[in-house]
Amino acid sequence: AQSVTQLGSHVSVSEGALVLLRCNYSSSVPPYLFWYVQYPNQGLQLLLKYTTGATLVKGINGFEAEFKKSETSFHLTKPSAHMSDAAEYFCAVTNFNKFYFGSGTKLNVKP
Amino acid sequence: DAGVIQSPRHEVTEMGQEVTLRCKPISGHNSLFWYRQTMMRGLELLIYFNNNVPIDDSGMPEDRFSAKMPNASFSTLKIQPSEPRDSAVYFCASAPFQATDTQYFGPGTRLTVL
Repeated sequence: AQSVTQLGSHVSVSEGALVLLRCNYSSSVPPYLFWYVQYPNQGLQLLLKYTTGATLVKGINGFEAEFKKSETSFHLTKPSAHMSDAAEYFCAVTNFNKFYFGSGTKLNVKP
Repeated sequence: DAGVIQSPRHEVTEMGQEVTLRCKPISGHNSLFWYRQTMMRGLELLIYFNNNVPIDDSGMPEDRFSAKMPNASFSTLKIQPSEPRDSAVYFCASAPFQATDTQYFGPGTRLTVL
């Protein structure tokens, strides 16, 4: 069975501060892991994904995530938050025919 | 290139009426997904098609919901009869091959059932 847990439904940071959004997964087999972002009144779009190989994955808009198998985590980070990063972020895990999204984390960026 | 196209963008209907949501996936994509998003339940996968065949419909809430994919370029999600608790944003997404690929989401249909 697979599942995704995102810790913190709301995260607030100041502009220029580090962004850290947490995601833990459970999977009986090596998973494929994704982060998607949803801006208000829009569909989701891919930020980055991990399939195999290098465990540090770089995505769009300066975001990156590290796959840590020992911790079953795939946390999303960005060194310096920008106002335009305010959105909802979803972690997702898949293994072939099953696809699971986390409950989402809304990121607020304060000026 | 056109992305995933959904219609209508907004739908307001009365309880008991039939509602049909439509989706045109990205040309050449083999997988199609229907999702429902609400404040209470977040984003839920309703059904997943691969090569026009339903692979996983375990997320379909009940018999009032049905989905079809008659060909590679069109899918429908039907609710009959609709109920107020079906009010949500429904997203369609497509992927090149299978569930492990990047999914490309449409803009969504906001459904309100009065």
